[in-house]
Amino acid sequence: LAKTTQPISMDSYEGQEVNITCSHNNIATNDYITWYQQFPSQGPRFIIQGYKTKVTNEVASLFIPADRKSSTLSLPRVSLSDTAVYYCLVGEGLESNTGKLIFGQGTTLQVKP
Amino acid sequence: NAGVTQTPKFRVLKTGQSMTLLCAQDMNHEYMYWYRQDPGMGLRLIHYSVGEGTTAKGEVPDGYNVSRLKKQNFLLGLESAAPSQTSVYFCASSYSLQGNEQFFGPGTRLTVL
Repeated sequence: LAKTTQPISMDSYEGQEVNITCSHNNIATNDYITWYQQFPSQGPRFIIQGYKTKVTNEVASLFIPADRKSSTLSLPRVSLSDTAVYYCLVGEGLESNTGKLIFGQGTTLQVKP
Repeated sequence: NAGVTQTPKFRVLKTGQSMTLLCAQDMNHEYMYWYRQDPGMGLRLIHYSVGEGTTAKGEVPDGYNVSRLKKQNFLLGLESAAPSQTSVYFCASSYSLQGNEQFFGPGTRLTVL
């Protein structure tokens, strides 16, 4: 599975748009890009997944450039409740050769009032 | 629809004791997973199952055993607990291996003294 690199932490204020970028230089042709959110003392929650260009759902948008070596999770108008750890994952699931999903350390987003 | 549930929520063991963590899902998912999460780290895959009666090793399988006798249940066993197994354990399930959308349980916090 491709290794991912994302900032350890980010700060924002309520109402702002937050963009978290993830680098995945070794992404393979069949790899999807997936983002999870984890609140303290809870399990991770799937946010969004994409393969190329832009994907949008009710929670976030995911921007993927043509070379797919990076991706950006965009959270519109964050609130205090968006304070969490955000994980970027790259892979095709457990059918990949390594048989595992790599979560990494994630990005801790702190939203301030 | 309860989603993914885990039993127990908390447990304290002494070194050498054994225990079983139970994971149950009511979404009729074929695939189930056990992860552990240590402070400041992402999740690491212990074992997974691609269907009833099957199991496979993940990234950190040593010291753990699993069983998937029923499609809805995935059990994680510790035969002889060690302090290094102090962690938060998350169970997850998914509809398919394609893509990376997994549904996580609330976690079990295990302390081994």
